[in-house]
Amino acid sequence: KQEVTQIPAALSVPEGENLVLNCSFTDSAIYNLQWFRQDPGKGLTSLLLIQSSQREQTSGRLNASLDKSSGRSTLYIAASQPGDSATYLCAGRGGADGLTFGKGTHLIIQP
Amino acid sequence: NAGVMQNPRHLVRRRGQEARLRCSPMKGHSHVYWYRQLPEEGLKFMVYLQKENIIDESGMPKERFSAEFPKEGPSILRIQQVVRGDSAAYFCASSPDNYNYGYTFGSGTRLTVV
Repeated sequence: KQEVTQIPAALSVPEGENLVLNCSFTDSAIYNLQWFRQDPGKGLTSLLLIQSSQREQTSGRLNASLDKSSGRSTLYIAASQPGDSATYLCAGRGGADGLTFGKGTHLIIQP
Repeated sequence: NAGVMQNPRHLVRRRGQEARLRCSPMKGHSHVYWYRQLPEEGLKFMVYLQKENIIDESGMPKERFSAEFPKEGPSILRIQQVVRGDSAAYFCASSPDNYNYGYTFGSGTRLTVV
């Protein structure tokens, strides 16, 4: 059964810093991995989707990588802004299990 | 494209009442998934449905919970005889197929049982 772990659970950094959020998964037989953002009391917004055959995906200041062999993914946020403050969730997509989520990284960007 | 629509956004029920949560998937999406998010916990899979079929309900509690996705109309998650422990955010997601595309989530229904 797939398990997804996210480190750190919480992170607070000054505005302008580059930062990395980590995600690890136990079952490398995933079809894809998806990063989401969740604002307090809101739904999930998809940020990036990496297929199992890909190594990374980029969208604006966000870059996500995937290393299936080591069971790891990272989300890199460049030049962080206060508006980036949110909880970031990674989820691996297997077969019958569908999407398995980590518990998220709660990110605060200090103005 | 209106995205995944969930309603109501907020639902308050007294213990013992029934709760009905509705989800309309994105246009062209035939796969629907329901997740529950308890306070301070991660998102937990509940059920995966296609039109008129339950594909995987391994995450659904055995009693009081049921889900359907009829040929016409939205998917419905029904909770009978609600208890305080059912208070949570319930999210619905949809996708075009099961493997090659990501999920699109709705804004959720926040259920409070009083």
